[in-house]
Amino acid sequence: NAGVTQTPKFRVLKTGQSMTLLCAQDMNHEYMYWYRQDPGMGLRLIHYSVGEGTTAKGEVPDGYNVSRLKKQNFLLGLESAAPSQTSVYFCASSYSGSSSGANVLTFGAGSRLTVL
Amino acid sequence: AQKITQTQPGMFVQEKEAVTLDCTYDTSDPSYGLFWYKQPSSGEMIFLIYQGSYDQQNATEGRYSLNFQKARKSANLVISASQLGDSAMYFCAMREGWSGAQKLVFGQGTRLTINP
Repeated sequence: NAGVTQTPKFRVLKTGQSMTLLCAQDMNHEYMYWYRQDPGMGLRLIHYSVGEGTTAKGEVPDGYNVSRLKKQNFLLGLESAAPSQTSVYFCASSYSGSSSGANVLTFGAGSRLTVL
Repeated sequence: AQKITQTQPGMFVQEKEAVTLDCTYDTSDPSYGLFWYKQPSSGEMIFLIYQGSYDQQNATEGRYSLNFQKARKSANLVISASQLGDSAMYFCAMREGWSGAQKLVFGQGTRLTINP
């Protein structure tokens, strides 16, 4: 049982290049999320999805696009990378069904992106 | 406005001592949940403990307990009998509302170092 898998784990881009981060989960979770973590800061939500074919903006969505064509996959795209997007990106997933609000996020291992 | 505040950037504790990591939060939603996550140097995010706003008892999970003081809007993490493996970053996070996606807001984290 792999849980949440992110690829690639590391990537270096030049300013203006594009790339896609892939997140895959095998837990049949309805909800998926992309967060970014910058030094000295906690995680901030970029985009999230409550089901196949649906996405929504989080706290810091500018410069990113997402797609969820299949329930198990959530893609994060950077169309024109900027140095400000240098960060560690975390994908996460969760169930939708807890009555107590305790739908714990399961995180991937993170993807470190550097934009030069 | 900062929704989650962790005022201790770093803490140093002797092995086997108990440690309290502070977390205060701000919300006007009566339904909310509070989470603590651990991030070791390897980078993954590990769920530790959860407290719902309507929970009457403080949450406990093994050596972890959550000192929930609703009137003060604080949710401090207590680690009893600290171990060297507890050295890590610790994040407090909050979700507002009871249904839908887990749009967590994270604090800036506290770096805990356990000294032998």
